[in-house]
Amino acid sequence: QITLKESGPTLVKPTQTLTLTCTFSGFSLSSSGVGVSWIRQPPGKALEWLAFISWNDDNRYSPSLSSRLTITKDTSKNQVVLSMTNVDPVDTGTYYCAHYHGSVTYYDYWGQGTLVTVSS
Amino acid sequence: DIVMSQSPDSLAASLGERATINCKSSQSVLYSSNNKDCLAWYQQKPGQPPKLLIYWASTRESGVPDRFSGSGSGTDFTLTISSLQAEDVAVYYCHQYYSTPQTFGQGTKLEIK
Repeated sequence: QITLKESGPTLVKPTQTLTLTCTFSGFSLSSSGVGVSWIRQPPGKALEWLAFISWNDDNRYSPSLSSRLTITKDTSKNQVVLSMTNVDPVDTGTYYCAHYHGSVTYYDYWGQGTLVTVSS
Repeated sequence: DIVMSQSPDSLAASLGERATINCKSSQSVLYSSNNKDCLAWYQQKPGQPPKLLIYWASTRESGVPDRFSGSGSGTDFTLTISSLQAEDVAVYYCHQYYSTPQTFGQGTKLEIK
């Protein structure tokens, strides 16, 4: 049974760095073809893909945010960490991590999401 | 970036009626390795994460009721709910996973008339 859970601060000040952790179970990020993505959703708005990290360290980022994002994995802890520098109020929203399997694929398991508010 | 455009933005239908949501991609999302379209549909209810309904444009995820079906190819895709149930009230998103940045449609809000 695959589960994912996001954790991190609920409130961050503008210009600070946001660090979110996705802790998962039921799969290993050292298994071929497996990966985890981060996707966010501003309140009342659509989903926005941010980044993914795959089993073989093939990392990809949204071009519009790539200068501010870093995604890493700790296979021994079953965790994926997303860091976002220089946050702004427009970064407010719910952040989800999601599981995928395959080189070109969809998201079959999602965490419940964590709401992050950027405000001074 | 591939732009995903959904129509309509909102839809109200009666219980038992058919509901149809459209999604158009700005370029083809056909994956040549398996000749399938990299298009998924998700259902999102308030306060919940998205739930996968359909992938490869027409393959229903395990456990999803068979009243949900996906069709289309190339750049034009459709999600159909054959007989609307009260629990289908949600926002529906299409998603292309053909290339990065992966992109989602703006969402279609489905309500009961």
